Amino acid sequence: GQNIDQPTEMTATEGAIVQINCTYQTSGFNGLFWYQQHAGEAPTFLSYNVLDGLEEKGRFSSFLSRSKGYSYLLLKELQMKDSASYLCAVSGGGATNKLIFGTGTLLAVQP
Amino acid sequence: DVKVTQSSRYLVKRTGEKVFLECVQDMDHENMFWYRQDPGLGLRLIYFSYDVKMKEKGDIPEGYSVSREKKERFSLILESASTNQTSMYLCASSNPGGDEKLFFGSGTQLSVL
Repeated sequence: GQNIDQPTEMTATEGAIVQINCTYQTSGFNGLFWYQQHAGEAPTFLSYNVLDGLEEKGRFSSFLSRSKGYSYLLLKELQMKDSASYLCAVSGGGATNKLIFGTGTLLAVQP
Repeated sequence: DVKVTQSSRYLVKRTGEKVFLECVQDMDHENMFWYRQDPGLGLRLIYFSYDVKMKEKGDIPEGYSVSREKKERFSLILESASTNQTSMYLCASSNPGGDEKLFFGSGTQLSVL
């Protein structure tokens, strides 16, 4: 079957580093996305990993290991505005290439 | 920037009503999607379309239909609304090839009473 797991909630302190993990089991794989969603707003694109390794983009980095079915999103120098849900999604490949979403990780950044 | 516009931010309907949710994108994207988002369940795909007049069922199509008469517009239809269709509905669009990242509308919170 298709399954994407990520922690439901996390708490971190302003200025710190936090790592949000995502594990997946899907019948196909074209790539893995991370989206950020603030309460009451639409998800916005953060990163996309196709190959193994770390992709860095400012304070945010995303890592992928295809052999382990594992990814993480790393947020550095946390700010209060980073409080949001972080959604992991896998592009399942095949003719339709649909995205399969995890349930999201709600991150609370505390002062 | 890509803009995906959903016609209503909040809707309240009665059980049995026919409900139309409209979505328009302005970047000439070929792909359009309808998701619903519920607490603890994440985003679930209802229907999607890769071309005008083309539609394919997603993971939870029951109780819904869609229409794509023009490339920029993708409509979600609830033929007879039920209380279990109370949810946040998100429209998205993308272009094939490359990373195919989704651009989302701001969502419609539908309450069926």
